[in-house]
Amino acid sequence: AQKVTQAQTEISVVEKEDVTLDCVYETRDTTYYLFWYKQPPSGELVFLIRRNSFDEQNEISGRYSWNFQKSTSSFNFTITASQVVDSAVYFCALLRSNDYKLSFGAGTTVTVRA
Amino acid sequence: EAGVAQSPRYKIIEKRQSVAFWCNPISGHATLYWYQQILGQGPKLLIQFQNNGVVDDSQLPKDRFSAERLKGVDSTLKIQPAKLEDSAVYLCASSLGGLAGRDTQYFGPGTRLTVL
Repeated sequence: AQKVTQAQTEISVVEKEDVTLDCVYETRDTTYYLFWYKQPPSGELVFLIRRNSFDEQNEISGRYSWNFQKSTSSFNFTITASQVVDSAVYFCALLRSNDYKLSFGAGTTVTVRA
Repeated sequence: EAGVAQSPRYKIIEKRQSVAFWCNPISGHATLYWYQQILGQGPKLLIQFQNNGVVDDSQLPKDRFSAERLKGVDSTLKIQPAKLEDSAVYLCASSLGGLAGRDTQYFGPGTRLTVL
């Protein structure tokens, strides 16, 4: 079975602070894909990043960065210099490559206060 | 490029009534998914279509839920009769499908259903 755990339910920060969201996953597959999605109050899930299991390079995109550590089964997400527009629920998800089933964590609600 | 479209955005019904949701995927996407997202939880897959065929409906409560994608493009999800516990956001997603590496799912805005 595959499982995604986001231990942090809610995080509240002041604007310009950095915030790191934890994601730990479980899978027996050797090939899999990890994702982060953002769900703002409007409700739509917005795709942020996709990483496959063979690529452990960390990635930076603007104020967003991701740290993939296969040894600890973690795929953490950091927002640098947070802004009010970053307030949303963030979901980590795991996709199996054989049947393309996507399993989501419970999400972390990030609130950025001005 | 237009994203995944869903309608209606909001629906309020009484229990035992019927309701239908519509989804139009991104053009060219072969795979279409319906998810149910209960407040405070991550989305859970209800059904997955590849073109107009069902790939996985193991989590669909078939006694009351049905879905179709007759021409391999638009899809409709129906609940009949609705129960209080069906109150949730129903999300539609699509992906190119097929070969590995073309499986990022893109989501629509969702339909928020309230059953009274």
